[in-house]
Amino acid sequence: AQSVTQLGSHVSVSEGALVLLRCNYSSSVPPYLFWYVQYPNQGLQLLLKYTSAATLVKGINGFEAEFKKSETSFHLTKPSAHMSDAAEYFCAVSDRGYSTLTFGKGTMLLVSP
Amino acid sequence: KAGVTQTPRYLIKTRGQQVTLSCSPISGHRSVSWYQQTPGQGLQFLFEYFSETQRNKGNFPGRFSGRQFSNSRSEMNVSTLELGDSALYLCASSAQGSLGQPQHFGDGTRLSIL
Repeated sequence: AQSVTQLGSHVSVSEGALVLLRCNYSSSVPPYLFWYVQYPNQGLQLLLKYTSAATLVKGINGFEAEFKKSETSFHLTKPSAHMSDAAEYFCAVSDRGYSTLTFGKGTMLLVSP
Repeated sequence: KAGVTQTPRYLIKTRGQQVTLSCSPISGHRSVSWYQQTPGQGLQFLFEYFSETQRNKGNFPGRFSGRQFSNSRSEMNVSTLELGDSALYLCASSAQGSLGQPQHFGDGTRLSIL
């Protein structure tokens, strides 16, 4: 079974700074990769998905992620952080058949003024 | 279009009791999956239903069960509750549940075991 590893359980940035959240997956062909965000007391909201159509994927709220097969990575970025981006972010892979997801441990993004 | 609806939002039970959680998927979605979220184990897959049949199952004991009705609504049941069952239970739906198809999540049911 595939797995995903998210480096850093917490990432702190200043408002306006670059956001970089790291995700590496175990190799498989083809991987279906997703980023989800979870705000306090809420479920998960889909930010973006990679399904092999393009290596640079644009999502909602200004986020994007680049699929790099050579590095088995799918890092999430945003050029300029906003206070409202403070939340927990999960990288996930679809690997157990059907649309079932295997999640990373999550990265809490903290944004300071 | 209404999203995934889970009821109740909060539930408090005692050890040994049983509990039933409900999930209504997005209209037209036929696949419903359940996940358990805890601080220690993170997000773990429980099971997936499609057209009233369990199609995929995670590594949870038999105390955890579910079912899906003809209108795609799903219920999850946990019997003989243990303290470790305290968690946020999330339901997710997708149109066909095909590989790579995104899942849409509800806000979850937070279950606390005393």
